[in-house]
Amino acid sequence: KAGVTQTPRYLIKTRGQQVTLSCSPISGHRSVSWYQQTPGQGLQFLFEYFSETQRNKGNFPGRFSGRQFSNSRSEMNVSTLELGDSALYLCASSLAPIPLSTDTQYFGPGTRLTVL
Amino acid sequence: KQEVTQIPAALSVPEGENLVLNCSFTDSAIYNLQWFRQDPGKGLTSLLLIQSSQREQTSGRLNASLDKSSGRSTLYIAASQPGDSATYLCAVFDFGNEKLTFGTGTRLTIIP
Repeated sequence: KAGVTQTPRYLIKTRGQQVTLSCSPISGHRSVSWYQQTPGQGLQFLFEYFSETQRNKGNFPGRFSGRQFSNSRSEMNVSTLELGDSALYLCASSLAPIPLSTDTQYFGPGTRLTVL
Repeated sequence: KQEVTQIPAALSVPEGENLVLNCSFTDSAIYNLQWFRQDPGKGLTSLLLIQSSQREQTSGRLNASLDKSSGRSTLYIAASQPGDSATYLCAVFDFGNEKLTFGTGTRLTIIP
């Protein structure tokens, strides 16, 4: 079956703009999590959605938001972009919310965001 | 606050050697621990998941152990191959934060 897909794969924006990233989970998976990966901070948890509800949120400012649709697809939005938002944004899906699922999370290839 | 550390940050070994990657965490109240690999510019691939009640998991040439009381996990790779070259990350899910906390990773290079 198809894996987790993320669009777009690469994105270049300027400071102050906003951006929306999309994630399509594996068919049947209802939990979607988002992570930010930077050389300095490593991989950090942004938020998790299950059945269109945000279950958990990491320590990021309110400029970072997300949502999940009835088909489990998810989007994350970053408003008023800053240079420090340049990162690889990874989406992961699982059958059930972590840690209820004994299965692992399956990660997408990521969206590389560059803020100029 | 959970902190996950991986040592060494980088490792180069000749092909065919066995090797061990280390992961330590500060809060032992974890639900599970996972090992992932990440190839350059790509997402993460799950290698092994160990529940808190388990001591080890094996998959092919990979064996991961978990010692919750000491806050340590090791990933053992047998008979290393050039295709094993990647960054290896460990991550824990702990009850306190209710989220996955990742280590900083070990960049592994297998020399043919």
